[in-house]
Amino acid sequence: RKEVEQDPGPFNVPEGATVAFNCTYSNSASQSFFWYRQDCRKEPKLLMSVYSSGNEDGRFTAQLNRASQYISLLIRDSKLSDSATYLCVVNTGGQGSWGKLQFGAGTQVVVTP
Amino acid sequence: DAGVTQSPTHLIKTRGQQVTLRCSPISGHKSVSWYQQVLGQGPQFIFQYYEKEERGRGNFPDRFSARQFPNYSSELNVNALLLGDSALYLCASSLGRTGELFFGEGSRLTVL
Repeated sequence: RKEVEQDPGPFNVPEGATVAFNCTYSNSASQSFFWYRQDCRKEPKLLMSVYSSGNEDGRFTAQLNRASQYISLLIRDSKLSDSATYLCVVNTGGQGSWGKLQFGAGTQVVVTP
Repeated sequence: DAGVTQSPTHLIKTRGQQVTLRCSPISGHKSVSWYQQVLGQGPQFIFQYYEKEERGRGNFPDRFSARQFPNYSSELNVNALLLGDSALYLCASSLGRTGELFFGEGSRLTVL
């Protein structure tokens, strides 16, 4: 079983619509969580960290459910520029350890006019 | 400010050869991590270095090695290249243990 699993998509989303997708992680000791965005043939860039209480950054909302071990990302009012692959990232280290960042394979989002 | 820089950007090698990839972190960042990204997959963790010490190693064979220099730059070496080593090799720097990684544009390795 992969440590971080994501629905690969693609999620085809009309411009202006809302899209949401999840990722699941297997290591219950995971301490920190992130969403990264990767454009085609570019490097990943941090979109947002994910906090236990959930957090919002503009049109993007991230949620963490530790009990069920999943993280979600919701994009409201989708823009054409939101088309990208969204990588779910989990730090699998336990408290006090360096751990390592585990990336999911990514969820592709395609926003259409 | 300069971001993470990697060299070379593209290279082609043949099976059995050796390759060295280089990375310069963002100024002030003491942690450098290396990732391998195969087409269609997410980046896979190879190594993390902090203050010149190895802090983490992923599930890669001993053909992969790395080091970090006093100026915090880093090299990734891969010996006895296999076709399956063809990938985008990403270097990322950060301030420390966790948190935001800043990636370079990567070195795209093709093994023939």
